[in-house]
Amino acid sequence: GQNIDQPTEMTATEGAIVQINCTYQTSGFNGLFWYQQHAGEAPTFLSYNVLDGLEEKGRFSSFLSRSKGYSYLLLKELQMKDSASYLCAVLGGSYIPTFGRGTSLIVHP
Amino acid sequence: DVKVTQSSRYLVKRTGEKVFLECVQDMDHENMFWYRQDPGLGLRLIYFSYDVKMKEKGDIPEGYSVSREKKERFSLILESASTNQTSMYLCASSFPGQGNEAFFGQGTRLTVV
Repeated sequence: GQNIDQPTEMTATEGAIVQINCTYQTSGFNGLFWYQQHAGEAPTFLSYNVLDGLEEKGRFSSFLSRSKGYSYLLLKELQMKDSASYLCAVLGGSYIPTFGRGTSLIVHP
Repeated sequence: DVKVTQSSRYLVKRTGEKVFLECVQDMDHENMFWYRQDPGLGLRLIYFSYDVKMKEKGDIPEGYSVSREKKERFSLILESASTNQTSMYLCASSFPGQGNEAFFGQGTRLTVV
């Protein structure tokens, strides 16, 4: 089975940096995705990690440690529009994505 | 622009009705998925399909069935709707294998009364 854990809610200030963590236990591992979902909208792809290390893409970065079963999404220079849910999804041995419960990020002025 | 289209954005059905949720993708993806999303529970996989006429149960298949007669279309069927099936239903599609992200439809908010 798969177990994916991420915080339920986080708050941060506009312009700040926030790190959203995701820990997982899976049978087989073929990568980890981060998605962003604004209220009432579909999830959209942010990043994919399959090797250990940091992947940077503009204001967003994602880190993976396979030995620790751990990933984080780092958001820099926060903007109000970054208020959304952030979903961690693991691609297990079956290549089917399993999602965590999502982290609701609230950015305030 | 890639697209996954779900037939209805909002749907209200009565208990016991048979309900069809349709999903069409235009990206020639082999994989298609149906998830339901509930507050505090996240996205949970109901069924997925990796090819035409192929289907596999996900984590919560009870009370649901699916149909994939054509590559681009994946239908979710509630045989006899119940109030505990009130939820947001999300369809997604992807290419198989590593590194291929899923593309999601806008979702169908189903209310069973």
